[in-house]
Amino acid sequence: NAGVTQTPKFRVLKTGQSMTLLCAQDMNHEYMYWYRQDPGMGLRLIHYSVGEGTTAKGEVPDGYNVSRLKKQNFLLGLESAAPSQTSVYFCASGAAVSYNEQFFGPGTRLTVL
Amino acid sequence: GQQVMQIPQYQHVQEGEDFTTYCNSSTTLSNIQWYKQRPGGHPVFLIQLVKSGEVKKQKRLTFQFGEAKKNSSLHITATQTTDVGTYFCAVPQGGSEKLVFGKGTKLTVNP
Repeated sequence: NAGVTQTPKFRVLKTGQSMTLLCAQDMNHEYMYWYRQDPGMGLRLIHYSVGEGTTAKGEVPDGYNVSRLKKQNFLLGLESAAPSQTSVYFCASGAAVSYNEQFFGPGTRLTVL
Repeated sequence: GQQVMQIPQYQHVQEGEDFTTYCNSSTTLSNIQWYKQRPGGHPVFLIQLVKSGEVKKQKRLTFQFGEAKKNSSLHITATQTTDVGTYFCAVPQGGSEKLVFGKGTKLTVNP
């Protein structure tokens, strides 16, 4: 089992460019999440999904879009990157049970110049 | 929405000293989870507390859930350099599908 994988691991963008971050999980989890982590801010939820074909906004959704076309994949898109989106992005997944723990991917370090 | 305050933000100890981080909520919690993130790594689940007054141990780590289920603590006895990292608490928001994370306590250990 690979668990939760993320691609790419690192990326540098120029302001205004677009990109997609891919998250994949092989644990058959219903729930998937995208977080961003900034110094001193902890983990903040961007968007999440409770099942294939569903998405919902989290705490900081502006400037991002997501899609969950397949149960095992959760994509995070930046249509027009801004320097404020420089961050480390973590994907996570969890089972649809009460009190579910979350399993995190290794992260993507994104720099927007 | 649900918020949780975690203190301290930073803690620096000498190897062998004890360490404690606290999480506090203004509302009663159904459960609380704890995660550890090593430097350069990703958060890893440590434990979940559900019952009022619950105490769980994992080797040198002791986790407590308050009687009122509004606070929790993680205590490490005799820290080692392998304990270095950031410790986060996380609590459910709304239903069980979302978590809100505390801002974390960054622990450094001087050998």
